[in-house]
Amino acid sequence: SQKIEQNSEALNIQEGKTATLTCNYTNYSPAYLQWYRQDPGRGPVFLLLIRENEKEKRKERLKVTFDTTLKQSLFHITASQPADSATYLCALGVGGSYIPTFGRGTSLIVHP
Amino acid sequence: NAGVTQTPKFQVLKTGQSMTLQCAQDMNHNSMYWYRQDPGMGLRLIYYSASEGTTDKGEVPNGYNVSRLNKREFSLRLESAAPSQTSVYFCAAIGDPPYEQYFGPGTRLTVT
Repeated sequence: SQKIEQNSEALNIQEGKTATLTCNYTNYSPAYLQWYRQDPGRGPVFLLLIRENEKEKRKERLKVTFDTTLKQSLFHITASQPADSATYLCALGVGGSYIPTFGRGTSLIVHP
Repeated sequence: NAGVTQTPKFQVLKTGQSMTLQCAQDMNHNSMYWYRQDPGMGLRLIYYSASEGTTDKGEVPNGYNVSRLNKREFSLRLESAAPSQTSVYFCAAIGDPPYEQYFGPGTRLTVT
């Protein structure tokens, strides 16, 4: 069956370090993968999209990689700040579909 | 420019009561979705509307109905609420490719 896996355990890191979050999938052939940020009590906010033919995408302190051989996307936040603390969701979309499927999210906690 | 708005923000229902969750967007997007989010389950699609006048079932449609009143508004109705429908409900509007989703602030529903 199709599955999207994000680490259910919170990631705790020190301010200034690089946070790396993982999104693994099985039995999907995604055409694109999105990353969202969700703060407590709020709706998710779109951050980045990467397509199947792209290896890496950057936006300010954010970097996303996409390895279709490993079936994995990595989401990096460099020079992390306490304000980056939130839950990060990945979502996979297959070709021709505008309905991505979401992972359960990973909580990031950045300690000052 | 409010983006996606949802009403109400909070609601408590007794089992068997009915209610309608309202969603409106001012971004002129064709597609709109309703999700529910439960602890440990992630975001699950209830219903979606690809365009005005069309609606389709998502992953968990049982116990719900929807109406796409016009391009701006997409409502979700619970005809006979059950405790299993206690959840946080999010509405989203979806842009053209790359299909980024714009979420509302959510409705926290408790059914007793």
